[in-house]
This record gives sequence, C-alpha cells and structure tokens, in this order.
Amino acid sequence: QSALTQPRSVSGSPGQSVTISCTGTSSDIGGYNYVSWHQQHPGKAPKLMIYDVSERPSGVPDRFSGSKSGNTASLTISGLQAEDEADYYCCSYAGSYTLVFGGGTKLTVL
Amino acid sequence: QVQLVESGGGVVQPARSLRLSCAASGLIFSNHGMHWVRQAPGKGLEWVAFIRYDGSSKYYADPVKGRFTISRDNSKNTLSLQMNSLTVEDTAVYYCARDRGGAQYFDLWGQGTLVTVSS
Repeated sequence: QSALTQPRSVSGSPGQSVTISCTGTSSDIGGYNYVSWHQQHPGKAPKLMIYDVSERPSGVPDRFSGSKSGNTASLTISGLQAEDEADYYCCSYAGSYTLVFGGGTKLTVL
Repeated sequence: QVQLVESGGGVVQPARSLRLSCAASGLIFSNHGMHWVRQAPGKGLEWVAFIRYDGSSKYYADPVKGRFTISRDNSKNTLSLQMNSLTVEDTAVYYCARDRGGAQYFDLWGQGTLVTVSS
C-alpha cells in the first residue's frame, strides 16, 4: 500500500492549462481503470472532481479532465481560474477492496 | 440535503481508545459501502477502512489493521470506527466517505472530526 507519486506543487496563470501527474504501479493505477481525483481547499473537506479515470460528476466544470497511460494518471485543468487554487489528490483502487492516495499536489494560480 | 456528519473526535492519551461516528442523512445509507479516510495535520489523505453496504465484509489499511474496527448500523444510518491502542501517528482529521462501485471511489465526504493523540 505505498502512496502514489504526485508533484508537490504546480502553478499556472489564469486562463492557462496545468497538468498534474500521478504515478503508481501495475498493482494500482496500471491494473484498474479506477482512478479518481479530489480537490481540497484549506480547512475544507475533499471534493470529488474525476472518477473512473476520466468521468466528471455532475456539477464539475468541463475544464477538468482526466486520463491515464500505463501506471500514470493525469488531471488537466484548462482555463485556470482563481478558485481552482487548492490541493489535489489522486486515488486509485489497489485490489482487494483497498485504495491508495497520492501525496497531494498544491496548485497555485499566479 | 445529502450529508455525512462525523463526531466523536477529541484528545486522547496514547494506548487509549476512541470511537468515531458518522451520521448519514438524505441518502439510502443501506445501499452504500462506506469508508474512513484520515489526514494528519499538514499531510495528505490516507485511506483507513472500508465496509460493504450490508456490513458483511470489512477491509483495512495496514497501519490500522488489528487496532481499528469499522462497523455500521443501517437501522440508525450510522457508520462507526472503533480505534484502540492509539498512537501519536493516529493524530488526524478523520473523514467518512460514501463509496461508489465497491471501493472504486468516494463521491461524498463528511466535514471531518479531529482526533489528537497526546500525553
């Protein structure tokens, strides 16, 4: 149950696009199409942004998109807005009804 | 509205026990598996435990296996986490979260309850 690997921080200017990577192994990301992404603002509970690699829950802007290649998943946020500044966590099914998170990425909107 | 509300957090001494609860409302609780996820101060999220919709099976992260017990009472729409033999490493905000797809992802989070293990 080792944590997935995410960059500690990324940044971008309003209107730009940023991509956050999440690297695991064939036992988690590479083995299943069950990657989700969660946004967390300071002092708040996380919020689901992407599930099943690339699906968006109702109410999440289509500026948020997800993808996966091999053992690495990615979250792309296009048309950055100030309110997108937050921590982002990837999460993957890891077999036997267990899940594993990434260490989190702090997104700064410049 | 649909919500999960945790309670039971507080300050507890090392080696002692604490029981957390999560009250669900606005959803058919008995239809969903449920998780506990924790977040140490200034750190990332860590999955803790999962229980199937009917309580028939339970799964734990290695750091809490043998010390924590997840349970549920579908008649009271309540999820619980019994935490024994607590250590300072268990200090965290504990969130309950609704499962989708059988441990595929969480789509609803509570606001969390803080557990501080300190002498």
